[in-house]
Amino acid sequence: AQSVSQHNHHVILSEAASLELGCNYSYGGTVNLFWYVQYPGQHLQLLLKYFSGDPLVKGIKGFEAEFIKSKFSFNLRKPSVQWSDTAEYFCAVNMDSNYQLIWGAGTKLIIKP
Amino acid sequence: NAGVTQTPKFQVLKTGQSMTLQCAQDMNHEYMSWYRQDPGMGLRLIHYSVGAGITDQGEVPNGYNVSRSTTEDFPLRLLSAAPSQTSVYFCASSHPTSGAGETQYFGPGTRLLVL
Repeated sequence: AQSVSQHNHHVILSEAASLELGCNYSYGGTVNLFWYVQYPGQHLQLLLKYFSGDPLVKGIKGFEAEFIKSKFSFNLRKPSVQWSDTAEYFCAVNMDSNYQLIWGAGTKLIIKP
Repeated sequence: NAGVTQTPKFQVLKTGQSMTLQCAQDMNHEYMSWYRQDPGMGLRLIHYSVGAGITDQGEVPNGYNVSRSTTEDFPLRLLSAAPSQTSVYFCASSHPTSGAGETQYFGPGTRLLVL
């Protein structure tokens, strides 16, 4: 069965540190890739997405992600995190444009001021 | 626009009771879906709908029913609540120009505890 793996369930960083959250999926066909974020007390919201074209996509708040097809990966990065980036981050994959999203388990990111 | 709204925010049920979780959106989105979120498991799709009168099962449909009589509303019914249905439930909507491959807009969630 198709699956999405997020490597770290909890990440703790200090402000200004660089961030990379891993996401891998198991599917060899066409994919649409998403990162969603849930800030404390807020709705899940889209951070960024990849459908086609440039594999390096930029999202809100300085986040970016790189799609590496050969590695089945879509890792999220930010060069310098802020305390306000404390949130839970979810990777999600839509496979062959069907009607379902497969979600990773999420990574809880805590930024120490 | 209110976006996606869900009621109630919290609910406690006894085993065997039934209830309906409400979801509404005012963005004229055709695609709506219900997820449950459990610790360490991410979101799992329960049911989805691609338009009024059309629903289908997701990954974990057992114990839940849905209907879609209007574009705006997509209620989720628990027929006979079980402790295993204790979870946080999210409703989401989007334009289905490419299946579920569009940006989804989420409601605030309903926390359900089944005793």
